[in-house]
Amino acid sequence: LAKTTQPISMDSYEGQEVNITCSHNNIATNDYITWYQQFPSQGPRFIIQGYKTKVTNEVASLFIPADRKSSTLSLPRVSLSDTAVYYCLVGALSGGYQKVTFGTGTKLQVIP
Amino acid sequence: DAGITQSPRHKVTETGTPVTLRCHQTENHRYMYWYRQDPGHGLRLIHYSYGVKDTDKGEVSDGYSVSRSKTEDFLLTLESATSSQTSVYFCAISTTGAFGYTFGSGTRLTVV
Repeated sequence: LAKTTQPISMDSYEGQEVNITCSHNNIATNDYITWYQQFPSQGPRFIIQGYKTKVTNEVASLFIPADRKSSTLSLPRVSLSDTAVYYCLVGALSGGYQKVTFGTGTKLQVIP
Repeated sequence: DAGITQSPRHKVTETGTPVTLRCHQTENHRYMYWYRQDPGHGLRLIHYSYGVKDTDKGEVSDGYSVSRSKTEDFLLTLESATSSQTSVYFCAISTTGAFGYTFGSGTRLTVV
C-alpha cells in the first residue's frame, strides 16, 4: 500500500489561495489520487481526482508532478465555509483487488 | 447525497455482543465499501463489495464480516464487539471514477 503524508493543519485568510500537499513516495503505476473534504459529523465529500499533470473542476485544481510522488490540492479564494479537514487518497485496482490508502488529513482553518 | 443511508446513526453496545450496521443505496451502484475512521488513522478500508454476494477484505478486516444479498444493501457485522472497534463507520459507493466515493453520514459505534 502507498504511504501518504499530509500536514496536520494549515491556516489561511479568506480570499487567499490555499495549497495542500500530500506526499506518496511509493505510489504505484496504477494508483490514482483523489481528494476529499470532510466537515464535522459528516462523511467525506469528493473534491477531485487525477492520475498525472493537472486536473481542474469548478471547485479546485489538482497538480501532480511527473514523478507522481506528491500531489497538491489548490483551493482558489477560500471562504470561511472551506474550513474543514482535507484528505488525500491513493488507490488502485490490482487484479480485481482494491488497494486504498487515505492520508490522515489536513485541518484547514480559514480566518476572517 | 446520491441516495445512500446508514443505520443506525448511533449505537452503544456491550463487549462480546454481535452488532450489524446497515448501508442502503438507491442508485444501483456496483461497488460498495465499509470504512472506519479513528483519530490519528484517517479512514481505513474494512471490506468492500463488487456485486451481489461478491465481497473482499480491506486493510482492517479482522473481527468484521459483510454480506450483500441485494444490490442496494451492504451489511457490516462485528461478530463479537470489542472496545477497539469503537469508531465511526462509513459506508461508501463509487460514483466518480474508481475511487470517487459518495459516503453515507456515518454510524458512531461505542463498545463498552
